[in-house]
Amino acid sequence: AQSVTQLDSQVPVFEEAPVELRCNYSSSVSVYLFWYVQYPNQGLQLLLKYLSGSTLVKGINGFEAEFNKSQTSFHLRKPSVHISDTAEYFCAVRRQDTGRRALTFGSGTRLQVQP
Amino acid sequence: GAVVSQHPSRVICKSGTSVKIECRSLDFQATTMFWYRQFPKQSLMLMATSNEGSKATYEQGVEKDKFLINHASLTLSTLTVTSAHPEDSSFYICSASPRVGTSYEQYFGPGTRLTVT
Repeated sequence: AQSVTQLDSQVPVFEEAPVELRCNYSSSVSVYLFWYVQYPNQGLQLLLKYLSGSTLVKGINGFEAEFNKSQTSFHLRKPSVHISDTAEYFCAVRRQDTGRRALTFGSGTRLQVQP
Repeated sequence: GAVVSQHPSRVICKSGTSVKIECRSLDFQATTMFWYRQFPKQSLMLMATSNEGSKATYEQGVEKDKFLINHASLTLSTLTVTSAHPEDSSFYICSASPRVGTSYEQYFGPGTRLTVT
């Protein structure tokens, strides 16, 4: 089974400051990793994903994440946040084999960007 | 491309009635659709996996007779909450995985907020 831990339930940050949202995972098999963003009362939008290759992946809206296999982490970063980045962010994993295609989500981190 | 719609976006029903939620992939065919449930300020919990033309696979603890899932075509899956009760009030989100292309892709619908009074 897979599990995803997002240690920070809320992250307040000032506009134009850098931010890092932490994600750690546990899995007995190799996984794909994802970050999704959810705006209020909306579905999820994919920010970025790690499938293979370079451990630093770049996504939409200036976000990037780095896969660290030894630490089983996939932290999300942005060098300068905007007010519009205020949302809920979910880290998720999916096993690479074909046995189970559903995503396992972390508990989410609410990013609050203050002016 | 890769748009998933849900209907209705919001529904209020009385306790004991049934509610049907539709999930459609608008511009692609989906062999697999997933239904998630999200309580306020919590994460998404997988309820069931729906494969076109076959019975849905439910997660442990999800009552299959209460949450009826039908995946009759490659673009439509429905979730029916039968005999709804206030504790079924939640945000229901579907996602769809394309028939062609990479199997890891999932596209999410905008969600349906169900309130049972």
